[in-house]
Amino acid sequence: GIQVEQSPPDLILQEGANSTLRCNFSDSVNNLQWFHQNPWGQLINLFYIPSGTKQNGRLSATTVATERYSLLYISSSQTTDSGVYFCAVTGGNKLVFGAGTILRVKS
Amino acid sequence: DTAVSQTPKYLVTQMGNDKSIKCEQNLGHDTMYWYKQDSKKFLKIMFSYNNKELIINETVPNRFSPKSPDKAHLNLHINSLELGDSAVYFCASSPQQEIFINTEAFFGQGTRLTVV
Repeated sequence: GIQVEQSPPDLILQEGANSTLRCNFSDSVNNLQWFHQNPWGQLINLFYIPSGTKQNGRLSATTVATERYSLLYISSSQTTDSGVYFCAVTGGNKLVFGAGTILRVKS
Repeated sequence: DTAVSQTPKYLVTQMGNDKSIKCEQNLGHDTMYWYKQDSKKFLKIMFSYNNKELIINETVPNRFSPKSPDKAHLNLHINSLELGDSAVYFCASSPQQEIFINTEAFFGQGTRLTVV
């Protein structure tokens, strides 16, 4: 089945710093989503981005489907950005998740 | 308005008990799912239903039985609970039958199940 790899696995930032999270996938996909799991456990939809670039405030995402990767950019990080960031793609009628990137933003 | 809602949010129970988790979506979606998140935060699909019909059963033990009374509800019943069932269970929904094809999935807030 499709494989989804996220990097880095862990990231510690000082408040105000920028970061880039990466998602590589092993096959062509027609759905890619980024989620943020906050410290309370909620899975928040960030982007639905099977291709192209989208921006939402301090967050933006780019998916290059032909090269099988997606990037999530976080600018001017805040402590509320802490949590786990998941990339998920379609694979065999399922949404397959990567292992996530644990982000800690320190004040 | 909550799009995908699960109850209860927390569930603590003893081994051997039977419990249910309820899920409802008010998005008008055709397809609903159950995902399990283990202690390492890994999320994996368990079941998917489209218009009350089972589409995916991902080699989940028979003790787990999903039930969909209508397309807005997908409940998860677990018999004879075991310690290893402790996890966070997420319900999700998406708009159309071709699961996740060109559609966005929305997740509930999760149910943390602890078996003691």
